Amino acid sequence: DAGVIQSPRHEVTEMGQEVTLRCKPISGHDYLFWYRQTMMRGLELLIYFNNNVPIDDSGMPEDRFSAKMPNASFSTLKIQPSEPRDSAVYFCASSLGSYTEAFFGQGTRLTVV
Amino acid sequence: TQLLEQSPQFLSIQEGENLTVYCNSSSVFSSLQWYRQEPGEGPVLLVTVVTGGEVKKLKRLTFQFGDARKDSSLHITAAQPGDTGLYLCAGARSAGNQFYFGTGTSLTVIP
Repeated sequence: DAGVIQSPRHEVTEMGQEVTLRCKPISGHDYLFWYRQTMMRGLELLIYFNNNVPIDDSGMPEDRFSAKMPNASFSTLKIQPSEPRDSAVYFCASSLGSYTEAFFGQGTRLTVV
Repeated sequence: TQLLEQSPQFLSIQEGENLTVYCNSSSVFSSLQWYRQEPGEGPVLLVTVVTGGEVKKLKRLTFQFGDARKDSSLHITAAQPGDTGLYLCAGARSAGNQFYFGTGTSLTVIP
């Protein structure tokens, strides 16, 4: 397996624009996590899914953020409208269980100008 | 407020030196993981500890879970430049819960 695949690797967008980040988890993994990493706040869990169902979205900062998992092999994190303070590296991770090793993608570096 | 505090935040040492980084919390964790993250990459799991007082060794790395399961340490012997990276601890408070990540320790090993 190629591991967790995220796209794009880098995204630069203007404030107010919609941004969509994509993730393909490892096949067979039941859990999918979206994290945001910044220097100030470290690695924060935004939302996680179990078997495509959102379980905990308490980490989603605002209603501008939304995440979907339409099937076991694809998830999106959308920010609409984007703001400069959303600039960060966004990671997707997947695991076999909530208690097991999380495999991370390479992340998407988002810059909102 | 961070659930897990790591110290030091930054550490720069010479190749061959020993070091210890710490992960502390006021909460009890059912299990704790340590990850290493290199620039431009996602974190990669190093170890998982689940029993209070547990010690695990991974080559030159020694991990310890506190007796009360509130803290953990990572000791590196004879550090090498390849050990450079961001070390993150992550704790789970109950079965079925997600892992909360610590603030991280950025380690630089100078050749």
